[in-house]
Amino acid sequence: SQTIHQWPATLVQPVGSPLSLECTVEGTSNPNLYWYRQAAGRGLQLLFYSVGIGQISSEVPQNLSASRPQDRQFILSSKKLLLSDSGFYLCAWGGGERGVGDTQYFGPGTRLTVL
Amino acid sequence: RKEVEQDPGPFNVPEGATVAFNCTYSNSASQSFFWYRQDCRKEPKLLMSVYSSGNEDGRFTAQLNRASQYISLLIRDSKLSDSATYLCVVFHTGRRALTFGSGTRLQVQP
Repeated sequence: SQTIHQWPATLVQPVGSPLSLECTVEGTSNPNLYWYRQAAGRGLQLLFYSVGIGQISSEVPQNLSASRPQDRQFILSSKKLLLSDSGFYLCAWGGGERGVGDTQYFGPGTRLTVL
Repeated sequence: RKEVEQDPGPFNVPEGATVAFNCTYSNSASQSFFWYRQDCRKEPKLLMSVYSSGNEDGRFTAQLNRASQYISLLIRDSKLSDSATYLCVVFHTGRRALTFGSGTRLQVQP
């Protein structure tokens, strides 16, 4: 069966510091991978998606970036965090052999607080 | 106008009650529809897909009305464990990811 891992689970960072969040998926090949952010009391906002190694699409211009160095690894980064970057970051996988638009499954998330 | 709109609630219902949530979507080209459940401070989890013919999974029934562009979720015989936020989710061509509503909060009370 497929599983998705994210780490760290919780992170407190000062403004201006860098960020690196990692997500890995097991049990599937060539998945579509997604990064979402959920601000407190808000809905999920799609940040990035990837349909393959090195292929990244950005949904919202911001100071975040994403990379996919391996088929089942997705990394979210920032060079300098802003207060507004605080939130619950969720990685999800979906599609793969079944194509885009299929159900997505979420990792446990990283709760980021920028102070 | 938001692409996917939901009543944020909260819906406070007693155990055993039947409760229904509606959701409207703006893009008529939407193709796939889902309900997710999100517990407090946890990740969303798929509850069920929504098919044109309607579908049922135990106490949960989902309906899709393409003409009116709304989706519904009916929960029968509510349990305390049903307390959560229910997210309406839509996929349409032109986006390669899902669009989530902000969620409807349900609180089932003893």
